[in-house]
Amino acid sequence: DAGVIQSPRHEVTEMGQEVTLRCKPISGHDYLFWYRQTMMRGLELLIYFNNNVPIDDSGMPEDRFSAKMPNASFSTLKIQPSEPRDSAVYFCASNPTGTYGYTFGSGTRLTVV
Amino acid sequence: AQSVAQPEDQVNVAEGNPLTVKCTYSVSGNPYLFWYVQYPNRGLQFLLKYITGDNLVKGSYGFEAEFNKSQTSFHLKKPSALVSDSALYFCAVRDRYGGSQGNLIFGKGTKLSVKP
Repeated sequence: DAGVIQSPRHEVTEMGQEVTLRCKPISGHDYLFWYRQTMMRGLELLIYFNNNVPIDDSGMPEDRFSAKMPNASFSTLKIQPSEPRDSAVYFCASNPTGTYGYTFGSGTRLTVV
Repeated sequence: AQSVAQPEDQVNVAEGNPLTVKCTYSVSGNPYLFWYVQYPNRGLQFLLKYITGDNLVKGSYGFEAEFNKSQTSFHLKKPSALVSDSALYFCAVRDRYGGSQGNLIFGKGTKLSVKP
């Protein structure tokens, strides 16, 4: 199994630009999570899906952030417009129903200049 | 509300010595508890979990953790530290009676540094 796959690994963009982060969960995992990691705030849950349906998006910081899961094998996290304070590492994780530990992707390091 | 506290930002240990990384939690019911490790420029890797049963849980790479309900703690331990254990360690908790499967709450992390 290739694990949870995130792309790109690194993204540098200018303030005001749209940024799209991508995630492919492990096949058969019906839960998908988006986390953001910063030095100041640690790991924050942004949103999670179950069977492609968003369950809890209370962690999404602002309307500039949106996430979709059009099918069981793909999810996107979009920031439009991006701001320097969005600079962070964004992680995607997945797990199947009935288990309790997540499998994380390697993350996308976003830098907004 | 659920919460996790890792009181130490950094733990320094000499190679070969025992190590402990502390974690305390707060949940309304009985907890599910986890430890994850993050190596530089990598995602989080699962180390071990406590769901039920024996309070001493053994995990990957020789790590273990002890669930102490009275002290609401779940400290991570290893009898003999290796330089390769140097990484960022996260404790996480979920309420057993939570309304959904998701939503692990993570601590802020503890940086473990093992010197030769």
